[in-house]
Amino acid sequence: GQNIDQPTEMTATEGAIVQINCTYQTSGFNGLFWYQQHAGEAPTFLSYNVLDGLEEKGRFSSFLSRSKGYSYLLLKELQMKDSASYLCAGLDSNYQLIWGAGTKLIIKP
Amino acid sequence: DAMVIQNPRYQVTQFGKPVTLSCSQTLNHNVMYWYQQKSSQAPKLLFHYYDKDFNNEADTPDNFQSRRPNTSFCFLDIRSPGLGDAAMYLCATSRDGQGYSPLHFGNGTRLTVT
Repeated sequence: GQNIDQPTEMTATEGAIVQINCTYQTSGFNGLFWYQQHAGEAPTFLSYNVLDGLEEKGRFSSFLSRSKGYSYLLLKELQMKDSASYLCAGLDSNYQLIWGAGTKLIIKP
Repeated sequence: DAMVIQNPRYQVTQFGKPVTLSCSQTLNHNVMYWYQQKSSQAPKLLFHYYDKDFNNEADTPDNFQSRRPNTSFCFLDIRSPGLGDAAMYLCATSRDGQGYSPLHFGNGTRLTVT
């Protein structure tokens, strides 16, 4: 079966760095997405990785290792507004999105 | 600004009373999606349209129907809502059906069933 695993909840301190991990098992692979979702709101696109390596976009970076079926989202210089759920989603061989349940990130002052 | 708009933001309906949720987009995207999301769960795809071609997910209950009368609008009809249908309903678009185009979501409609 197809599956996305990510931690349910993480806590970090304002100004610090946090890494949110995601492992995936999909039938074929056409890339991996990260979305941010604030409570009661819709997901918003953060990143898309299809090649191995790290992609940096401001305070947020996303990493992919296809051989390990693994990705992470790295958030630097955490701000209170980064408190949200972070959803990992893999794209299978039929270009269908397989979603994780999300990691709820709690930022403490 | 080009966007995806869902109405209403909050919807309360009675058990068994039909309800329709609406979505419009000004992005001129070909693909529109309806997702159901319950608290702390992954979004679950109900339907998607590639242009006017309708695609129903295999496990979407018959109680859910959808219409896309034109490129800009899409509707989700719940014929007889049950308590288990209480959820956030998310409409999304993508430029094409290639899958790697990011999804653009509306703000969602939170449905309560009493």
